[in-house]
Amino acid sequence: EAEVAQSPRYKITEKSQAVAFWCDPISGHATLYWYRQILGQGPELLVQFQDESVVDDSQLPKDRFSAERLKGVDSTLKIQPAELGDSAMYLCASSLDRAPYEQYFGPGTRLTVT
Amino acid sequence: QQQVKQSPQSLIVQKGGISIINCAYENTAFDYFPWYQQFPGKGPALLIAIRPDVSEKKEGRFTISFNKSAKQFSLHIMDSQPGDSATYFCAASMGLGGSYIPTFGRGTSLIVHP
Repeated sequence: EAEVAQSPRYKITEKSQAVAFWCDPISGHATLYWYRQILGQGPELLVQFQDESVVDDSQLPKDRFSAERLKGVDSTLKIQPAELGDSAMYLCASSLDRAPYEQYFGPGTRLTVT
Repeated sequence: QQQVKQSPQSLIVQKGGISIINCAYENTAFDYFPWYQQFPGKGPALLIAIRPDVSEKKEGRFTISFNKSAKQFSLHIMDSQPGDSATYFCAASMGLGGSYIPTFGRGTSLIVHP
């Protein structure tokens, strides 16, 4: 069964350092999403891609976060510099296309900023 | 502002019992209501979803009840099993620019005792 792959699974970094997360969506899925899930809460959308284009990044803190999906396949989410409040689970999801197709989530990257 | 309120925060049920999780929403423009199941170390997975033109949807042991006038919906898990132990998230979404991005509740941690 095809799955969304993410790496690393866990990341510990010191504040002010740069950190990057990688996501490989299910093959053929045009839409890719990055979510942030704070412990004890539901996921919140950070950015949505349709192929290589950003569709929605209204909730992405652009002063420190960036995301790219250069060839419309895999994607990277970067934080620079990391802050203590960035500690969370970062989830990648993909869907065949935009609405109303089911989103398939990856296992996430657990980030701890010290 | 929390647009989707979920309760209870945690739930303990005996094997064979009924688990009930409730959600309420604010925005009447929401027109798609999915429930997600998340196991530790995994991303959320779509469990069942409903649109507001029906009052109930059943898939196996899982049933969504929807009350449009009260802006409430609930998940019922019949004959709960230890394997159902997970965190459950309700969500609500609406089409914006061709996308359906779920607004998640805070989640309910379900423990089913054998």
